[in-house]
Amino acid sequence: DIQLTQSPSTLSASVGDKVTITCRASQSISTWLAWYQQKPGKAPKLLIYKASILEDGVPSSFSGSGSGTEFTLTINSLQPDDFATYYCQLYKSYSYTFGQGTRLEIK
Amino acid sequence: QVTLRESGPALVKPTQTLTLTCVFSGFSLNSAGMCVSWVRQPPGRALEWLARIDWDDAKHYDTSLKTRLTISKDTSKNQVVLTMTNVDPVDTATYYCARIRYYGFDSFDIWGQGTTVTVSS
Repeated sequence: DIQLTQSPSTLSASVGDKVTITCRASQSISTWLAWYQQKPGKAPKLLIYKASILEDGVPSSFSGSGSGTEFTLTINSLQPDDFATYYCQLYKSYSYTFGQGTRLEIK
Repeated sequence: QVTLRESGPALVKPTQTLTLTCVFSGFSLNSAGMCVSWVRQPPGRALEWLARIDWDDAKHYDTSLKTRLTISKDTSKNQVVLTMTNVDPVDTATYYCARIRYYGFDSFDIWGQGTTVTVSS
């Protein structure tokens, strides 16, 4: 099975900051990677798919990049609503794997 | 508008079989390229994919849980059902159904609100 390693596990930042979250796959997955935002008690929300394509309705302050084994989610100019937990997720051979999550908290 | 809603028992005993139902609207599982999955999240932990069913009734399962899971659909009722046999306290989680991105197959674009299941005697 392909493993996903997400870092950091916790990130402290302030409103207006730019932050980056990294996801590394144990083998190449081309661009088959998605990013989600989850708030406490709520279902995850798809932000980005195929590594860099922004889902409809997601603010342009979110962006994704990467291919192969290393991927990043960048949030420009953090807003209060952005403080949440973020997950990466890979797709390969009819199987899906999520990263362990990054909790983005207010500094 | 696409919606999904999960339902099932809040409490099940160890060794019992858990049956969860996902009722959806706004799309048809008869449409080529459409798929629905189940994903769970133990308390305070990460998301775990469980199973997927496709428009053509193809089924895919997480390899570690494959022997315990069955996913099925009733397109006339717009329902997807997941059964999990021989449950254990480690199966305590919030269970979500989610639509897979149409013809993308790679991600989950619409999620239900989730249903919380506790496994305890």
